Amino acid sequence: QKEVEQNSGPLSVPEGAIASLNCTYSDRGSQSFFWYRQYSGKSPELIMFIYSNGDKEDGRFTAQLNKASQYVSLLIRDSQPSDSATYLCAVNTRTYKYIFGTGTRLKVLA
Amino acid sequence: KAGVTQTPRYLIKTRGQQVTLSCSPISGHRSVSWYQQTPGQGLQFLFEYFSETQRNKGNFPGRFSGRQFSNSRSEMNVSTLELGDSALYLCASSLEPGGNQPQHFGDGTRLSIL
Repeated sequence: QKEVEQNSGPLSVPEGAIASLNCTYSDRGSQSFFWYRQYSGKSPELIMFIYSNGDKEDGRFTAQLNKASQYVSLLIRDSQPSDSATYLCAVNTRTYKYIFGTGTRLKVLA
Repeated sequence: KAGVTQTPRYLIKTRGQQVTLSCSPISGHRSVSWYQQTPGQGLQFLFEYFSETQRNKGNFPGRFSGRQFSNSRSEMNVSTLELGDSALYLCASSLEPGGNQPQHFGDGTRLSIL
């Protein structure tokens, strides 16, 4: 089992819809969870981070964490074509490392 | 505030050579981590430095090494380059080490091995 798993996609959503991106992790001791956006040919850009169970909202983005089920999600409301990118989930581990998933490619269709 | 600065942006080397990459973190950030990104493997953790000490390392051979200076700037060295070392090398900085702090990435160094 991979330490951090994401569906590679592509996930296609129409403009204006909600995009839901999911990530599962294997280390129950993980405390910190991060979402990054990476455009093709660019470096990852931090979108959000969450430490506690529940939801955290920032503009059109909502991160959801469920430690009991070991998953973290990112919701993007009112999706725009400019949101088309690869979304990377990162989780810290008990060995104090950041582990990244392989990313989900999101395509927002105009 | 200036972001993470990596130099050079592009490098072309041949097998057997060695290369040194540089990273200047965001001002005030004391932890620097290095990653290798390839299409097949995604983002792979190389090592993390804090207070001039390697705090953590990933599963890479000893040809990959790094160091950190007193001003938190970091360098990464790869010796005896192999074709498989062709990748985007990313540096990320954070306030503290340990994976609990958000990391911010530089633009990366794209290394091509001929």
